[in-house]
Amino acid sequence: ETGVTQTPRHLVMGMTNKKSLKCEQHLGHNAMYWYKQSAKKPLELMFVYNFKEQTENNSVPSRFSPECPNSSHLFLHLHTLQPEDSALYLCASSQLTGVEQYFGPGTRLTVT
Amino acid sequence: DAKTTQPPSMDCAEGRAANLPCNHSTISGNEYVYWYRQIHSQGPQYIIHGLKNNETNEMASLIITEDRKSSTLILPHATLRDTAVYYCIVRSLIYGGATNKLIFGTGTLLAVQP
Repeated sequence: ETGVTQTPRHLVMGMTNKKSLKCEQHLGHNAMYWYKQSAKKPLELMFVYNFKEQTENNSVPSRFSPECPNSSHLFLHLHTLQPEDSALYLCASSQLTGVEQYFGPGTRLTVT
Repeated sequence: DAKTTQPPSMDCAEGRAANLPCNHSTISGNEYVYWYRQIHSQGPQYIIHGLKNNETNEMASLIITEDRKSSTLILPHATLRDTAVYYCIVRSLIYGGATNKLIFGTGTLLAVQP
């Protein structure tokens, strides 16, 4: 595997479910990001991790819980989501300067 | 970070040069101009960035005006695969902390026509 991978690519979940999105980067980067892209809206930055430490939480509701166990892996734990949380969730990584961010293909999430 | 303004959409004929403008009139001296693109339902892809000199790589050229208040991304020979939303982003190059983040706007939808 090369670049940034995300699993699953598609996820349908009910509002009472708990699920997790996984991101893995094979680029040796030390910063990782979660973005959300709702239909017809710009990408919204959710979280930033530098060297496994969270450095940015862009006022994200607590039903989204990120986890960064090491510099190569990033998770987004989901629980009691709302239908308006349906979106494309994108993971990215970069060197610490963040000049060039590499994005994964995204997870298309539908909350029913 | 400075705000950017881009046209919502543009058309370009296949094989011709695509010139995508971006206005960033409030840019400050330490802020760079970045361009990314997002092909439908994929993650964004970095294209190029620059401070004040024109830049060129294998994907595109970036022309920044002398006063740095606007820039143009040039795809020299557009193909159908270049159809995407193109984002112009301005941010400073500060190392570490919470500042290595990108703020995406609505971008320009470039439609390359056969």
